[in-house]
Amino acid sequence: AQSVTQPDIHITVSEGASLELRCNYSYGATPYLFWYVQSPGQGLQLLLKYFSGDTLVQGIKGFEAEFKRSQSSFNLRKPSVHWSDAAEYFCAVGASGNTPLVFGKGTRLSVIA
Amino acid sequence: NAGVTQTPKFQVLKTGQSMTLQCAQDMNHEYMSWYRQDPGMGLRLIHYSVGAGITDQGEVPNGYNVSRSTTEDFPLRLLSAAPSQTSVYFCASRFTGSYEQYFGPGTRLTVT
Repeated sequence: AQSVTQPDIHITVSEGASLELRCNYSYGATPYLFWYVQSPGQGLQLLLKYFSGDTLVQGIKGFEAEFKRSQSSFNLRKPSVHWSDAAEYFCAVGASGNTPLVFGKGTRLSVIA
Repeated sequence: NAGVTQTPKFQVLKTGQSMTLQCAQDMNHEYMSWYRQDPGMGLRLIHYSVGAGITDQGEVPNGYNVSRSTTEDFPLRLLSAAPSQTSVYFCASRFTGSYEQYFGPGTRLTVT
């Protein structure tokens, strides 16, 4: 069965600084990988996804993520963080067939002036 | 196109009461699922369905029932609410094999 680890529970960055949120997965084959964002009191919105092909994927709101098979990682990056990026971020992994998505425990991002 | 809708938005129950959380989607998605979100625990899967008439258990199914009589609806039933079921509940749907999952806005449930 697949699993996801987000090592950082809470990260604080300054507005305008770069951001990297870590995600490690466990799955024997090529996984389907996702990043979701949840603003306070809201549902989850898909930021980006990786199914196959180019290992650097672009998402909404200026985010990107890189799939590194050798490191079993799918880290989320943004070159310059805005105050509105403060939210909780979830990495998720899916396998083939009808198996459900498995989510990490999330990383809460705080943005300071 | 309303996407995934959930009702109610908020609910307070007393221990032992029963209720149904409603979830509907208008995207003709085969796959629907229920998650609960608790602080520090991420999203944990309660039940899921790959199509009308087919349901299966997730990671934390105890205390919850589901049924899927139509493609559009996937209600979650709490038979006898307990304080441990205080949580935020999210319904999600997708096309089978797509993995691009769409979430509802959530239901915040408090059991006293």
